Amino acid sequence: QKEVEQNSGPLSVPEGAIASLNCTYSDRGSQSFFWYRQYSGKSPELIMFIYSNGDKEDGRFTAQLNKASQYVSLLIRDSQPSDSATYLCAVTQRGGGNKLTFGTGTQLKVEL
Amino acid sequence: EPEVTQTPSHQVTQMGQEVILRCVPISNHLYFYWYRQILGQKVEFLVSFYNNEISEKSEIFDDQFSVERPDGSNFTLKIRSTKLEDSAMYFCASSLPLTGDSNQPQHFGDGTRLSIL
Repeated sequence: QKEVEQNSGPLSVPEGAIASLNCTYSDRGSQSFFWYRQYSGKSPELIMFIYSNGDKEDGRFTAQLNKASQYVSLLIRDSQPSDSATYLCAVTQRGGGNKLTFGTGTQLKVEL
Repeated sequence: EPEVTQTPSHQVTQMGQEVILRCVPISNHLYFYWYRQILGQKVEFLVSFYNNEISEKSEIFDDQFSVERPDGSNFTLKIRSTKLEDSAMYFCASSLPLTGDSNQPQHFGDGTRLSIL
């Protein structure tokens, strides 16, 4: 069973702080890595994707991938109350087509 | 910005009935997917569809389920003889084809909340 693990949280950070969300995956053949944001009762919304080891930055968001350690993280700088949501990590496997395997998500709360 | 459209937003059906969930993927996307999310649980893959045929399906996607692209824009999920445990949010997603070894991001519709009574 190919698993994607996330701490369910909630992770509470003060407004303006950096939020760090982590995800580990069991399959070394995992190929592509995605972060989605999901507000309660809503659909997953794509935030970032990363394919290669290292960092990828987009505005306030940075995705970090370490394939040797099998983890991917998402940093949110200058956290805002509107960032409060559940963040889903999703991966695809090499040879597994385009199927996304999701983690259970980490709930982030940004406090005023 | 182009988006995936799903209808209806909420469907209530008696157990044993058939339901059809509809999706209009982003127009230049070629891969289509259905996922479901039972309340409080993680998003689960059901099926992917490419070039007018199923490219992959999960163990959940048994004979009760079928997908179809009846025309150039719609993509449907049919659930026959619904059961109580089919109650969930059903999300349609679409993506561009793979680029080399890299999977293209999937964009999700707003979902259909299916309630089986």
